[in-house]
Amino acid sequence: AQSVTQLGSHVSVSEGALVLLRCNYSSSVPPYLFWYVQYPNQGLQLLLKYTSAATLVKGINGFEAEFKKSETSFHLTKPSAHMSDAAEYFCAVIGGGATNKLIFGTGTLLAVQP
Amino acid sequence: DAGVIQSPRHEVTEMGQEVTLRCKPISGHDYLFWYRQTMMRGLELLIYFNNNVPIDDSGMPEDRFSAKMPNASFSTLKIQPSEPRDSAVYFCASSIGGSSYEQYFGPGTRLTVT
Repeated sequence: AQSVTQLGSHVSVSEGALVLLRCNYSSSVPPYLFWYVQYPNQGLQLLLKYTSAATLVKGINGFEAEFKKSETSFHLTKPSAHMSDAAEYFCAVIGGGATNKLIFGTGTLLAVQP
Repeated sequence: DAGVIQSPRHEVTEMGQEVTLRCKPISGHDYLFWYRQTMMRGLELLIYFNNNVPIDDSGMPEDRFSAKMPNASFSTLKIQPSEPRDSAVYFCASSIGGSSYEQYFGPGTRLTVT
């Protein structure tokens, strides 16, 4: 069965520092992977997705993620954190088989310190 | 496009009352998903529909919960009778078929059962 594991439920960085949010996946088939962001009191918004094309995926707001099959990872990065990046981030994988169901990780809450 | 629309945005009700949450998916999307988010359990998929037909309702917690999609532009999630443990934020999301997979989320309904 497909699943994702997000390491670190809370991550704190200083403004201007590198953001690294970790996601490892488990999938019996080539995975489709996603990162979503949730700002306070809002719904989830798609940041980027990997669909077996380029392994380095660029998303909105300066975020990018690299698919590494050998490490079963899909970590999210941003070179320089901004205060507005403070939010909760969710990694997700397609459920597999003939389904459009997304399997979400438990989320990582990113805090950005001034 | 207006995005996924949910109503009401906030609902406060007393234990035992019936609660109905509403969702209008993005026009042209043929998948609709209902999620529940709590601090304790995170983001849970309750049920999803394809072309108005329920495909997977394994996440529906118990018989008190029911969901319908009478047409392509409207869905409801009903809780009868409601209990305090149903307090959560309920999200509706929609996606287009094929190989796109990304889901677009509504702003959510914050339900409080006293």
